[in-house]
Amino acid sequence: EVQLVESGGGLVQPGGSLRLSCAASGFTFSNYDMHWVRQVTGKRLEWVSTIGTSGATYYPGSVKGRFTVSRDNAQDSLYLQLNSLRAEDTAVYYCTREGGTYYIDSWGQGTLVTVSS
Amino acid sequence: SYELTQPPSVSVSPGQTVSISCSGDKLGDKYACWYRQKPGQSPVLVIYQDDKRPSGIPERFSGSNSGNTATLTISGTQSMDEADYYCQTWDTTTWVFGGGTKLTVL
Repeated sequence: EVQLVESGGGLVQPGGSLRLSCAASGFTFSNYDMHWVRQVTGKRLEWVSTIGTSGATYYPGSVKGRFTVSRDNAQDSLYLQLNSLRAEDTAVYYCTREGGTYYIDSWGQGTLVTVSS
Repeated sequence: SYELTQPPSVSVSPGQTVSISCSGDKLGDKYACWYRQKPGQSPVLVIYQDDKRPSGIPERFSGSNSGNTATLTISGTQSMDEADYYCQTWDTTTWVFGGGTKLTVL
């Protein structure tokens, strides 16, 4: 069974930093592209980052230069470094697996990031 | 930037068929997929690559994609189908989600 378990969320002040982690199990982690997706409470889902099997990374303009995605295939782990956080970054952050061409087939339970003074 | 537009809400009576639309420029030239999200839960994939159902998703869920519109259709809707539904596609290294549609089963 595929499992994705996020951790590292919490309350942080504007301008602060946070590092999210995702522990993957139940599949060969190194064979899959992985994504972070966030959701403001009860609202639109927003793609945050992608890291391919080769290590190539992609970001939307809203987080580019502030967020950094990385992976450790030896540890079956995905990470997201969040810097220069803003109030609008407040959301639940999901670790997700790309199941095939341009769709996500597995989601973690999410970790809440709250940016507030 | 590419955008997907969904109706905010749709309602249906139990046992009836309901369709949820997702519009985007030349969306039919891309793959579309759909996720269902119930309150307090993570999204679940219900349709991928326009019209394919993952294992475990009931046959009453179907999808299509042509022109500028992708459509999720639920036949014989049940109360358990009440949820938020999101469409999603990919456009030049960017993953794009629709705003979501709240399906109410009256």
